[in-house]
Amino acid sequence: DTAVSQTPKYLVTQMGNDKSIKCEQNLGHDTMYWYKQDSKKFLKIMFSYNNKELIINETVPNRFSPKSPDKAHLNLHINSLELGDSAVYFCASSQGARQGGGNTIYFGEGSWLTVV
Amino acid sequence: DAKTTQPTSMDCAEGRAANLPCNHSTISGNEYVYWYRQIHSQGPQYIIHGLKNNETNEMASLIITEDRKSSTLILPHATLRDTAVYYCIVSRYSGGGADGLTFGKGTHLIIQP
Repeated sequence: DTAVSQTPKYLVTQMGNDKSIKCEQNLGHDTMYWYKQDSKKFLKIMFSYNNKELIINETVPNRFSPKSPDKAHLNLHINSLELGDSAVYFCASSQGARQGGGNTIYFGEGSWLTVV
Repeated sequence: DAKTTQPTSMDCAEGRAANLPCNHSTISGNEYVYWYRQIHSQGPQYIIHGLKNNETNEMASLIITEDRKSSTLILPHATLRDTAVYYCIVSRYSGGGADGLTFGKGTHLIIQP
């Protein structure tokens, strides 16, 4: 069973389009994340959701919006796609944002987005 | 979160122990050291973490110096499948907390047959 699954794995789309990437986790975690890995391989956090509440929001364009219908899902919607949005997007989850160690972040396999 | 410094790349012979160093001289007393790796075309994978004491699990061992300013990840018997980018991350929160985990450039470990 895949712990964190995201679809689609590959997505090629034209500039200006609106697209969504779906993510689901079956680990019972209460925090989910979206990370972006660009062509230089830097992995940067975009959003995290805890109990359906956005707890961080990095300085990403407002064309990107996370939507969480329930604790197990965090979808990423992108409006008016631009060439610079081409990247690999990783969904992830963890037990929660708390001190003490012992929790780990589980990542999905990534969604390769290419904007042409 | 404190910054970490890792070598850009390392080679290791298959079957030998791979020792990956990480410097974190500005680490705070309540910050943990985490190690993740990313195999090509896959999502990052948690390996191990520690606070003060050395830690061992089925994947690796983590050796943290007494002053906590550096650490070493040890893969005891490296295989070709261990070829990946290894990230050393220092963070106060277990799951990343309000800032999530900040990934640096990591060390590209290449296991040679």
